Amino acid sequence: DAKTTQPTSMDCAEGRAANLPCNHSTISGNEYVYWYRQIHSQGPQYIIHGLKNNETNEMASLIITEDRKSSTLILPHATLRDTAVYYCIVRPSDLNTNAGKSTFGDGTTLTVKP
Amino acid sequence: NAGVMQNPRHLVRRRGQEARLRCSPMKGHSHVYWYRQLPEEGLKFMVYLQKENIIDESGMPKERFSAEFPKEGPSILRIQQVVRGDSAAYFCASSPPNRGKGGYTFGSGTRLTVV
Repeated sequence: DAKTTQPTSMDCAEGRAANLPCNHSTISGNEYVYWYRQIHSQGPQYIIHGLKNNETNEMASLIITEDRKSSTLILPHATLRDTAVYYCIVRPSDLNTNAGKSTFGDGTTLTVKP
Repeated sequence: NAGVMQNPRHLVRRRGQEARLRCSPMKGHSHVYWYRQLPEEGLKFMVYLQKENIIDESGMPKERFSAEFPKEGPSILRIQQVVRGDSAAYFCASSPPNRGKGGYTFGSGTRLTVV
């Protein structure tokens, strides 16, 4: 299973783009990159996922490097409500494999400031 | 379509008692995952279950902890003879048989306090 490394914390000004990096240098070919966030003590919330192409949805954009060893989550216009812990994980596409090894790590605490 | 339902939201147990945490996955989801989050820490995988099968329990403590996902009814995480160190938030997630969009969907968690 691939592990991920993320900075412990980041600050971002309200209204600016928040760029959260993640390294997953040991990712294998069948593993997707997923991003979740946890606001305060709520259950984690899915944000976005991708395999090798860049992805965009209503919440964020995901940029995956060509070698797939790292990715960046982009919140284009951060608001105060985006303050949360952001987790980057890798997960195989086949859930009948040892999918349980997708540990979340400690994530990045993003603080959006007014 | 209700999300992942966990109950109770808060559970207080005295040392030595048993704790039972319930998780009803989203409709159509047949895969259930339990995670534990100690105060000020990240989510730690505990166990992955499909209906009537434990697929991966490598994150589960060897003693006092057990999990099941019966053919009918919710998934149960059971902690026997609780100790103060078991105090944590326990999150359940579910996913459909195929990977599906979004991977896991998480419940709101059960906060266990051992006094």
